Amino acid sequence: EPEVTQTPSHQVTQMGQEVILRCVPISNHLYFYWYRQILGQKVEFLVSFYNNEISEKSEIFDDQFSVERPDGSNFTLKIRSTKLEDSAMYFCASKKAGSLAKNIQYFGAGTRLSVL
Amino acid sequence: DQQVKQNSPSLSVQEGRISILNCDYTNSMFDYFLWYKKYPAEGPTFLISISSIKDKNEDGRFTVFLNKSAKHLSLHIVPSQPGDSAVYFCAASAAADSWGKLQFGAGTQVVVTP
Repeated sequence: EPEVTQTPSHQVTQMGQEVILRCVPISNHLYFYWYRQILGQKVEFLVSFYNNEISEKSEIFDDQFSVERPDGSNFTLKIRSTKLEDSAMYFCASKKAGSLAKNIQYFGAGTRLSVL
Repeated sequence: DQQVKQNSPSLSVQEGRISILNCDYTNSMFDYFLWYKKYPAEGPTFLISISSIKDKNEDGRFTVFLNKSAKHLSLHIVPSQPGDSAVYFCAASAAADSWGKLQFGAGTQVVVTP
């Protein structure tokens, strides 16, 4: 069964460093998302991406964040200068095109980002 | 932002009995609702969904009920099995939000005991 793949599973970085989290969405999906879950809190929406551009972003997704689909398969989230509060589990999700009446998103296993 | 609420952080149920998980929402624009299951160190796995044009959707042991007037949905698992032990998230979206972002509840930890 096709699945969303995320690498690495755990990323440890120093505060102020840049990190890139990688995702390979399901191959025939056209909508892509990043969510995050800070320990003990809800899963929160960060950004949606469609047709090679950001379609929506949350207040969390400030200038330190960027997303890119550099080729036909990868979808990346970059944090330019990490802060302690960026420590969280980051989930990539994808969805087929089609009716928004059936908004089923499929999630990867996540990348645990630890900022020291 | 408490648009989706799961007020029970945990639920313990005996194997073979029914598990009932509850979810409330405040945003009347929500028209599509999903339940995800999450094991430790894994991502949320889609379980079942329901559109606001329905009040019930069933898939095997899982049934979701939607009460729009009460802005309430519930997930029934019958019979519960040990493998059902996981965190269950309720999520919602609005067609008016054309890019489909999901709003999640805080989750309910289900433990199925033998």
